[in-house]
Amino acid sequence: GAGVSQSPSNKVTEKGKDVELRCDPISGHTALYWYRQRLGQGLEFLIYFQGNSAPDKSGLPSDRFSAERTGESVSTLTIQRTQQEDSAVYLCASSTTAGGPINEQFFGPGTRLTVL
Amino acid sequence: AQSVTQLGSHVSVSEGALVLLRCNYSSSVPPYLFWYVQYPNQGLQLLLKYTSAATLVKGINGFEAEFKKSETSFHLTKPSAHMSDAAEYFCAVSKNTGFQKLVFGTGTRLLVSP
Repeated sequence: GAGVSQSPSNKVTEKGKDVELRCDPISGHTALYWYRQRLGQGLEFLIYFQGNSAPDKSGLPSDRFSAERTGESVSTLTIQRTQQEDSAVYLCASSTTAGGPINEQFFGPGTRLTVL
Repeated sequence: AQSVTQLGSHVSVSEGALVLLRCNYSSSVPPYLFWYVQYPNQGLQLLLKYTSAATLVKGINGFEAEFKKSETSFHLTKPSAHMSDAAEYFCAVSKNTGFQKLVFGTGTRLLVSP
């Protein structure tokens, strides 16, 4: 596709349930990032994938959060036993690592997660 | 560690007036700096970036920003606001080497009145 896509766009779940969020990066982008945007706050880095290298998970807030990516394709972010404080917009971004000292991150529209 | 402070969660201007959105950064290493814009129900879009070349950076839609190391600032300006500029603006910082995790400010919502 033309840009980064994410699904679902909105997700309402009950406390304690597991949720899975999906990100389709721009074709050919080797780097993929997940961020979280809580109401009234800036974006918080969660995790970064670069090709087949081990992901950087340093931003994951707890062991209830995990993410996977196969090669340079789709990524899923899973939140187990959701809590109300997990309510946020989850944003995915991708970039190419080719060319230049820095590569623009292209963001998807986000998934708005509401935990009741 | 790196951080960004955006002064003012909301800024209101009249159409045609100067836009000034403030961003101050903290970084233990030479930074890269970014401004992103987020329109309602859309993803973030890069406005401009500073990567240690020219200190005055021009971006899309008539926006520009100046890197001032002495003031640790990277304020965003536009000479004349348009109604279409109403959006949320985020300043972000990253290291200039290796993995480029972005550290974002809390955002400034720009309101433009006729």
